[in-house]
Amino acid sequence: EVQLVESGGGLVQPGGSLRLSCAASGFTFSSYWMTWVRQAPGKGLEWVANIKQDGSERYYVDSVKGRFTISRDNAKNSLYLQMNSLRVEDTALYYCARTSSWIPYWGQGTLVTVSS
Amino acid sequence: EVVMTQSPATLSVSPGERATLSCRASQSVSSDLAWYQQKPGQAPRLLIYGASTRATGIPARFSGSGSGTEFTLTISSLQSEDFAVYYCQQYNKWPPPYTFGQGTKLEIK
Repeated sequence: EVQLVESGGGLVQPGGSLRLSCAASGFTFSSYWMTWVRQAPGKGLEWVANIKQDGSERYYVDSVKGRFTISRDNAKNSLYLQMNSLRVEDTALYYCARTSSWIPYWGQGTLVTVSS
Repeated sequence: EVVMTQSPATLSVSPGERATLSCRASQSVSSDLAWYQQKPGQAPRLLIYGASTRATGIPARFSGSGSGTEFTLTISSLQSEDFAVYYCQQYNKWPPPYTFGQGTKLEIK
């Protein structure tokens, strides 16, 4: 069974940093693109970033470019999102997802709240 | 960026009736279109990909159609568990990000 478990969310002040993690199991992690998708409270879904199997390609939505970094450790079956210079508008539930296009598998999300 | 527009924002339908949800792309995305269902407090669930292919375990009452810029999700006979928010997503324009529509809330009439 595919499982994706996010962690690392919390309350952080504007300008602060946070590192999200996603532990994957039930599939060959190193064979799949992985993605972060976020959802602000009461809002829709937004594709944030994704990363190729070997980490050689990474793509970001414009609003996080230069502030967020997606990475992975295939030996640990883990996906990460380093978030710097956080803004109030980054407040959201962050989902880890297995995908390269459509998304068949999602985690349950970890909540990031950016507030002073 | 491809902008995805869903309509209506809210759709009120009685159980047992048919629901038709629309999704429009600002430019052609061929058939690279997926639909998701999201219930409160849950992660989204993939319903349809390739515009019309049902994902594993999705009941046959869910069907997708369309190509290019106009797409439709049809739920043929609404069950109580179908009342939720539905999102479309395009995955045609490389490189990512792949964009979602703003969602349609399907509520009980």
